[in-house]
Amino acid sequence: QKEVEQNSGPLSVPEGAIASLNCTYSDRGSQSFFWYRQYSGKSPELIMFIYSNGDKEDGRFTAQLNKASQYVSLLIRDSQPSDSATYLCAVNKAGTYKYIFGTGTRLKVLA
Amino acid sequence: DAGVIQSPRHEVTEMGQEVTLRCKPISGHDYLFWYRQTMMRGLELLIYFNNNVPIDDSGMPEDRFSAKMPNASFSTLKIQPSEPRDSAVYFCASSFVGSGNTIYFGEGSWLTVV
Repeated sequence: QKEVEQNSGPLSVPEGAIASLNCTYSDRGSQSFFWYRQYSGKSPELIMFIYSNGDKEDGRFTAQLNKASQYVSLLIRDSQPSDSATYLCAVNKAGTYKYIFGTGTRLKVLA
Repeated sequence: DAGVIQSPRHEVTEMGQEVTLRCKPISGHDYLFWYRQTMMRGLELLIYFNNNVPIDDSGMPEDRFSAKMPNASFSTLKIQPSEPRDSAVYFCASSFVGSGNTIYFGEGSWLTVV
């Protein structure tokens, strides 16, 4: 089992719809969870982080964490063509500052 | 504030040559990470430092790879000798524990070994 797993996609959604991106992780002791966005040819940039179970909202983005199920998700409301990118989930190894990234989910927002 | 600065941005080299990638982390950050990204394997952590000390180098693929951090504002990743399978984008990143451990990436060094 990979340490951090994401569906590679592509996930295609129409403009204005909600995009739902999912990530599972294997280390039960992980405490820090991040979502990054990466445009083609660019470096990853932080969207948001979450540490506690439940939802965390920031503008059009909502991160959801369920530690019991070892599952973290990212919802993008009112998706725009400019949201088309690869979304990377990152999780720390328990007790360390070592961050493991998933392979990313490619999102396409269709105009 | 300047972000993480990497050089060179692009390098094309011949197999067997030595490659040195350079990184200047964000001032005040106490963690520095070297990642490698390929289409096949995604973003892989090679090594990370805390206060200039290597903490975990288990991701370094083999002895041809080495990394140093002689001071808080500079790190190098060296490949000697380079091989075509080393072709990838190498990202340097830094973070500060007090900022929620958010990792900030440089723009990457695009390496092609022919």
